[in-house]
Amino acid sequence: EAQVTQNPRYLITVTGKKLTVTCSQNMNHEYMSWYRQDPGLGLRQIYYSMNVEVTDKGDVPEGYKVSRKEKRNFPLILESPSPNQTSLYFCASSLSGRSSYNEQFFGPGTRLTVL
Amino acid sequence: AQKITQTQPGMFVQEKEAVTLDCTYDTSDPSYGLFWYKQPSSGEMIFLIYQGSYDQQNATEGRYSLNFQKARKSANLVISASQLGDSAMYFCAMKSPGANSKLTFGKGITLSVRP
Repeated sequence: EAQVTQNPRYLITVTGKKLTVTCSQNMNHEYMSWYRQDPGLGLRQIYYSMNVEVTDKGDVPEGYKVSRKEKRNFPLILESPSPNQTSLYFCASSLSGRSSYNEQFFGPGTRLTVL
Repeated sequence: AQKITQTQPGMFVQEKEAVTLDCTYDTSDPSYGLFWYKQPSSGEMIFLIYQGSYDQQNATEGRYSLNFQKARKSANLVISASQLGDSAMYFCAMKSPGANSKLTFGKGITLSVRP
């Protein structure tokens, strides 16, 4: 089944404790992206990757890191989480980042709480 | 810069009736794509329908249709014969081609279907 998977689905952590949210897709997509969703703000892009070893900042990159060593994986790293990073996180992928046509497929979401 | 506006407050509709969810957008790109996503209470993002800026006809997918008025920069979602399972948050999003064809999301509209 074609899908985007994220782990963990739920995470409660404390300020300053490094964490990684994994994202993997099995559709051989070139483009991958991370979004965060906050009430009243919709979804905002954190980082994106056009292909392996190519990553760049989105609209709200502060406090996050990413890597794209393999085509299928795009982990999101919070080196020192803070309470304002409490949010619902989505990983998404699409065939190509350059076309306006390609649908983005979303993972199931990761609900993160930072105490 | 791209912008999506969804200003309707929470919407209510009677089961089996049709409902229109409003979306206006702003972009200077001649080529773009418009998407609608559904987010039920479980949190996942479900793709509903797509409309390309050069498409001559309005998109339809089952009970979903998109009322695309390019001159007015509006892309309203019409759900016919509402079902209880349609109760969810609905997001309008736009994507332009380019180095980062990210999805720009509106803030969403909550739809409640009454039995």
